[in-house]
Amino acid sequence: AQKITQTQPGMFVQEKEAVTLDCTYDTSDQSYGLFWYKQPSSGEMIFLIYQGSYDEQNATEGRYSLNFQKARKSANLVISASQLGDSAMYFCAMWGTGGFKTIFGAGTRLFVKA
Amino acid sequence: DSGVTQTPKHLITATGQRVTLRCSPRSGDLSVYWYQQSLDQGLQFLIQYYNGEERAKGNILERFSAQQFPDLHSELNLSSLELGDSALYFCASSVDGWATNEKLFFGSGTQLSVL
Repeated sequence: AQKITQTQPGMFVQEKEAVTLDCTYDTSDQSYGLFWYKQPSSGEMIFLIYQGSYDEQNATEGRYSLNFQKARKSANLVISASQLGDSAMYFCAMWGTGGFKTIFGAGTRLFVKA
Repeated sequence: DSGVTQTPKHLITATGQRVTLRCSPRSGDLSVYWYQQSLDQGLQFLIQYYNGEERAKGNILERFSAQQFPDLHSELNLSSLELGDSALYFCASSVDGWATNEKLFFGSGTQLSVL
């Protein structure tokens, strides 16, 4: 069975500093995709970044990067130069060929302090 | 704007009632997904449809049912509602749902309150 674990219910970070949100996953699939989504207080879900299981380089999208450690089955999100607008709920997600569905972790609520 | 339209945005009803949530996917997307987000259980996958056919099923209760119509819009029917069904229900769509890199585009959700 596939599983996503986010162990940090809440995180605080100072504006302009970097922050790492943890995500570990469990799957027996060889081919899978890992995603991070952001959910601001307004409620919508916004795609941030994607990493494929066969990608050798870590994905980057602007201030977002994904620290992918396949052997450890971790896919941590790194946000550089945090902004007040980064305050939101962040979800790690995975899609695998075994289930053909995207499952989500419990989420981490990030608070950016001025 | 994700291009995915969900209606209604808010729904208040009583226990035992039946409601229908509607979703129109992004233009060109063939797959539709339904998720339930509650405070104590996070984002739970309910069901996925691809081009009118059910493809994957998650923790969907027997009181719940869904379908995808020929024009690709989808409806989620919730019946015999209980207090615990109160949640934010998301619809999402993707191109076809077969590729590992296929991101989901989410609607703004329907907030269901069962009183």
